[in-house]
Amino acid sequence: EPEVTQTPSHQVTQMGQEVILRCVPISNHLYFYWYRQILGQKVEFLVSFYNNEISEKSEIFDDQFSVERPDGSNFTLKIRSTKLEDSAMYFCASSPQGRNTEAFFGQGTRLTVV
Amino acid sequence: GENVEQHPSTLSVQEGDSAVIKCTYSDSASNYFPWYKQELGKRPQLIIDIRSNVGEKKDQRIAVTLNKTAKHFSLHITETQPEDSAVYFCAGPGAAGNKLTFGGGTRVLVKP
Repeated sequence: EPEVTQTPSHQVTQMGQEVILRCVPISNHLYFYWYRQILGQKVEFLVSFYNNEISEKSEIFDDQFSVERPDGSNFTLKIRSTKLEDSAMYFCASSPQGRNTEAFFGQGTRLTVV
Repeated sequence: GENVEQHPSTLSVQEGDSAVIKCTYSDSASNYFPWYKQELGKRPQLIIDIRSNVGEKKDQRIAVTLNKTAKHFSLHITETQPEDSAVYFCAGPGAAGNKLTFGGGTRVLVKP
């Protein structure tokens, strides 16, 4: 069964450093998302991406964040200058269509900022 | 934007009993309501979803009911088993955009 894959599974970085989280969505899906989950809290939407551009973003997704689809398969989330409060589990998701369809989640990248 | 409230935050049931989790939403134009199960340290996985053209959907021991007038939907788990222990999240998409807005989660503990 096809699935969303994410790398790395765990990333430890120093405050102020840049990190890139990588995702390979399911191949025939058109919509891609990043969500984050701070430990013990709910899943929060960061950004959605369709047709090679951001379609929606949340207040969390400020200028420190960016997304890119550098080739036909990868979808990346970059945090330019990490802060302690960026420590969380970051989930990539994809869906075949937009609204009213299931979002398939990757296994997540645990980001720890020290 | 969409606001999704979920209750209770924790739920402890005896094995074999039923569990019910309720969510309310704010955007009356919402028309897709998924439920995700998240085991410790793992990804959210869809367990059931419902669209606004039906009021109830069942899949074995799991059912979801939707009341569009009252703007709430509920997850029902019957004959609970220890492997049902997890955090359950409801979500709603809202009328605009494709994102999911998640509820706060319910930690379900099934005691053997």
